[in-house]
Amino acid sequence: QSALTQPPSASGSPGQSVTISCTGTSSDVGGYNYVSWYQQHPGKAPKLMIYEVSKRPSGVPDRFSGSKSGNTASLTVSGLQAEDEADYYCSSYAGSSKLVFGGGTKLTVL
Amino acid sequence: QVQLVESGGGVVQPGGSLRLSCAASGFTFSSYGMHWVRQAPGKGLEWVAFIRYDGSNNYYADSVKGRFTISRDNSKNTLFLQMNSLRAEDTAMYYCAKAPGFSYGDYWGQGTLVTVSS
Repeated sequence: QSALTQPPSASGSPGQSVTISCTGTSSDVGGYNYVSWYQQHPGKAPKLMIYEVSKRPSGVPDRFSGSKSGNTASLTVSGLQAEDEADYYCSSYAGSSKLVFGGGTKLTVL
Repeated sequence: QVQLVESGGGVVQPGGSLRLSCAASGFTFSSYGMHWVRQAPGKGLEWVAFIRYDGSNNYYADSVKGRFTISRDNSKNTLFLQMNSLRAEDTAMYYCAKAPGFSYGDYWGQGTLVTVSS
């Protein structure tokens, strides 16, 4: 299975909104409502931010939201804060009991 | 609180073997599936393997199938990853993750580093 496609970088100023895309195919992102998003700060473990396209785990600020249209999923971070600067990874169920991740997006808060 | 602590990483020669462990606490380990996910230095995340809550089914990425084996001991709240025929491209930080559903991991350990080098 091929990796999902994410932009290498994204940026925004504090208080602004930024959206990160995650493009797959009808065999993964488009075929299932099983897209997740993870935040990873340097040297740290990934942290779950969104699961099943748009669900937010307890403790994740509602500034983080997820959506999907066709073969592309999106993570939107509203009201950007300095601590949101991190790498973000999407993942999707890819059928046949396999998971696939995106290549990651480095979010910079200007 | 949920804790996952990986161990067993180290330096191994190509063709060698290594067994990783993930000690779980703070939740009912025997009720959840578990993932192994790896991250090569400076690279993105790659899913490696998944095991169901009772160990009845295991699933693998094509890149490790036939070389790696995921298992668990629910009596000891521990997850394992047996890695054989290791290659340079297996060099990575290996994370275990608790999986309420197959498609995601809600808690992750801090990882254990595996380096395959002669």
